[in-house]
Amino acid sequence: KAGVTQTPRYLIKTRGQQVTLSCSPISGHRSVSWYQQTPGQGLQFLFEYFSETQRNKGNFPGRFSGRQFSNSRSEMNVSTLELGDSALYLCASSFDRGPDEQYFGPGTRLTVT
Amino acid sequence: EDQVTQSPEALRLQEGESSSLNCSYTVSGLRGLFWYRQDPGKGPEFLFTLYSAGEEKEKERLKATLTKKESFLHITAPKPEDSATYLCAVSGGSYIPTFGRGTSLIVHP
Repeated sequence: KAGVTQTPRYLIKTRGQQVTLSCSPISGHRSVSWYQQTPGQGLQFLFEYFSETQRNKGNFPGRFSGRQFSNSRSEMNVSTLELGDSALYLCASSFDRGPDEQYFGPGTRLTVT
Repeated sequence: EDQVTQSPEALRLQEGESSSLNCSYTVSGLRGLFWYRQDPGKGPEFLFTLYSAGEEKEKERLKATLTKKESFLHITAPKPEDSATYLCAVSGGSYIPTFGRGTSLIVHP
């Protein structure tokens, strides 16, 4: 069974630009969650999508947004990038909603210069 | 606000030297406590979910236990391949997970 895939794996952007990251969950999984991981703050929850609806949102500004498609694939978008947005962005999928038994992808390393 | 504190921050063991990692938590209405393992440059790997105090789960050399205030991840006779960062997280009534900062484990041969 294929795992969670994320594209691209590495990305370099300039402050003020926007970026879109993609996540393909494990086949059959309906929930996709996004996380930001930094050395300073650790792993922080961004949002969760289940059946194309955002179910939960973490404490991040509105510049961070996402969506889920009918095939459960998900994208997250960050607009007006700031230097502090440099991080590893992780996507995780699970069969049901909520953080139980989540399977993480390898992440997208975003560097904002 | 849910909180998770993991200790120690770093742990060095000799191969075969058993030890425990601690995860202390405060959460409103625990739905689950989760343990993950993360290798450098990779996403976390799911290990266990514990739902209620007194519950225990085992996988190979790992055993996770849960009380009303903390969870322990016991590592029995560790091997160098057990070296990784171990993350603990809790989820309460909001379903939003809160992660600890992790314990970095190094097992020397």
